[in-house]
Amino acid sequence: EDQVTQSPEALRLQEGESSSLNCSYTVSGLRGLFWYRQDPGKGPEFLFTLYSAGEEKEKERLKATLTKKESFLHITAPKPEDSATYLCAVPSNAGGTSYGKLTFGQGTILTVHP
Amino acid sequence: DTEVTQTPKHLVMGMTNKKSLKCEQHMGHRAMYWYKQKAKKPPELMFVYSYEKLSINESVPSRFSPECPNSSLLNLHLHALQPEDSALYLCASSLVGAGAGGMDTQYFGPGTRLTVL
Repeated sequence: EDQVTQSPEALRLQEGESSSLNCSYTVSGLRGLFWYRQDPGKGPEFLFTLYSAGEEKEKERLKATLTKKESFLHITAPKPEDSATYLCAVPSNAGGTSYGKLTFGQGTILTVHP
Repeated sequence: DTEVTQTPKHLVMGMTNKKSLKCEQHMGHRAMYWYKQKAKKPPELMFVYSYEKLSINESVPSRFSPECPNSSLLNLHLHALQPEDSALYLCASSLVGAGAGGMDTQYFGPGTRLTVL
């Protein structure tokens, strides 16, 4: 069974204090990984898709990387508006009737203080 | 444009009521999804429609009834719900249906906050 674990559960940073969020996974035949950002009471907002180990993607202060066992979301010089829950997810590898199934991690709640 | 819209934003209903949630996208996506999300938990998949056909039902109770009238529209009909069904209901869509390897990006709507009294 696919498993996705995110750490830490919660992270408090001062504005400008860079850090990383971790997403480790146990899946057979990983075909990629998604990162989403979710604000309270709103739907997840797509950030990145990573397809293979070694791939990196950047967007503003965020940089996502992927290895064969985990993914990192690096946040450089964060601002208060980066405060949100960050979710990673992997697609089911069962194929066929399991198309569209995502296994989500529990999320990391990021709080950036001014 | 990657917009998925959902109505209503908030819904309060009694256990004997019948109500519907609506989801719409105009991105030409052919897969649409319903998720349920409880506080401090990740989204939990309920249903997947692929090319307007139901492809996944995650053993959801029959008091939840999905409908996909066309490729742009997805409904969730609610009847005889329980207080524990109170949650944020999310709709999502993705570009390609079955056979694409499951790596299509799912784009989520803003959700409907449902409260069952």
